[in-house]
Amino acid sequence: AQKITQTQPGMFVQEKEAVTLDCTYDTSDPSYGLFWYKQPSSGEMIFLIYQGSYDQQNATEGRYSLNFQKARKSANLVISASQLGDSAMYFCAMREGNTGGFKTIFGAGTRLFVKA
Amino acid sequence: DAMVIQNPRYQVTQFGKPVTLSCSQTLNHNVMYWYQQKSSQAPKLLFHYYDKDFNNEADTPDNFQSRRPNTSFCFLDIRSPGLGDAAMYLCATSRDLDSLAKNIQYFGAGTRLSVL
Repeated sequence: AQKITQTQPGMFVQEKEAVTLDCTYDTSDPSYGLFWYKQPSSGEMIFLIYQGSYDQQNATEGRYSLNFQKARKSANLVISASQLGDSAMYFCAMREGNTGGFKTIFGAGTRLFVKA
Repeated sequence: DAMVIQNPRYQVTQFGKPVTLSCSQTLNHNVMYWYQQKSSQAPKLLFHYYDKDFNNEADTPDNFQSRRPNTSFCFLDIRSPGLGDAAMYLCATSRDLDSLAKNIQYFGAGTRLSVL
């Protein structure tokens, strides 16, 4: 079964608007970490934001915030005030703290296109 | 300044001709990873080193080997590249494995391998 699901293969957003990229996950481990990475066309994966399963507040990093809904097992990435440079592939990932070894599992990704 | 450096950025090799990809890091991280990423897919973990301790993923073909002579450097050796091995190869590091937050991974720009 898929542990990380990103249901949006592609998304379009107008420059300066906010956009939400969806991510749902599946785990029975009470301890886990959720990560979002950005991959521009150049290829480098860039870490954006981290949320621990025991964190009480949603993570924020500048224009990025993570809408963490634990009961629904969702960890959506919200990008505020989109910029042209935000056009890229975005991957949601998870690592389980007690099971699954040391492996970080990546979703299939969402390609974001920012329109001028 | 780049903290995880991969060389070369592009590599062309012939079918069956051994090839080595290199990765270096200035972060002094304990863990180094090698991922294979095919077009429009999620990265697939091949193996990782925790210090000098090598951990191979169960489904990584024997054709893929790795060496970590010191903390800073890690190499990916493909002994007999096939056409199916053409992909982007990503190197990543993380500080440690003992907590989820320390498992944030920092990636290099990748090496795109073509097999003729």
